Amino acid sequence: DIQMTQSPSSLSASVGDRVSITCRAGQSIGRHLNWYQQKPGEAPQLLIYDASNLGSGVPSRFSGSGYGTHFSLTITGLQPEDFATYFCQQSSSTLFTFGGGTKVEIK
Amino acid sequence: QVQLQESGPGLVKASETLSLTCSVSGGTVASYYWAWIRQAPGQALEWIANIFYTGTTSYNPSFQSRVTISVDMSKSQFSLTLNSVTATDTAVYYCARLIRMGADSYFFDHWGRGTPVTVSS
Repeated sequence: DIQMTQSPSSLSASVGDRVSITCRAGQSIGRHLNWYQQKPGEAPQLLIYDASNLGSGVPSRFSGSGYGTHFSLTITGLQPEDFATYFCQQSSSTLFTFGGGTKVEIK
Repeated sequence: QVQLQESGPGLVKASETLSLTCSVSGGTVASYYWAWIRQAPGQALEWIANIFYTGTTSYNPSFQSRVTISVDMSKSQFSLTLNSVTATDTAVYYCARLIRMGADSYFFDHWGRGTPVTVSS
């Protein structure tokens, strides 16, 4: 299995801040990295696919970058509705695996 | 807009079989892959299995031969059965649509809200 490690596991930020979350793969996965947002009681939402492609209807303040083993999700201008948990997922192997999640909390 | 809704028993006794169903609305089951994913308390999400609408399946080896995924196009549903459950199968179970883009890109573009399952002794 390809291990996915996210950091930090949680962070505190204010509305308007620029926030970055990192995801590292245990081996090279090329560009095959996806990001999701999850809020309590809601269905997870796709944010970014293939490292840097914005999902349908996702605001442009979300962006993704990276290749190989090191990836990041950046939120530029944090909005109140962005306080949630974010997790990454690799699809280089069809034994899909996920990161442990990063909880973004209000400072 | 495609919507997915999980349904299940909520509580299952250890050693018994868990059966879950995902109902798909606002779109067709045809032409897509469909998946089950779970999240145990304090753990990362874990992919369980997926199925193409034609019936082709793929399973996480961690579940060995305990799991079966199936699709019923006439009902716009797909299902998961997990045999011989134990306390470690206690989790929130999600269904999702899996998109294959090109030869080797995959992502889950629509998810259900999840259904909690507790395995009791």
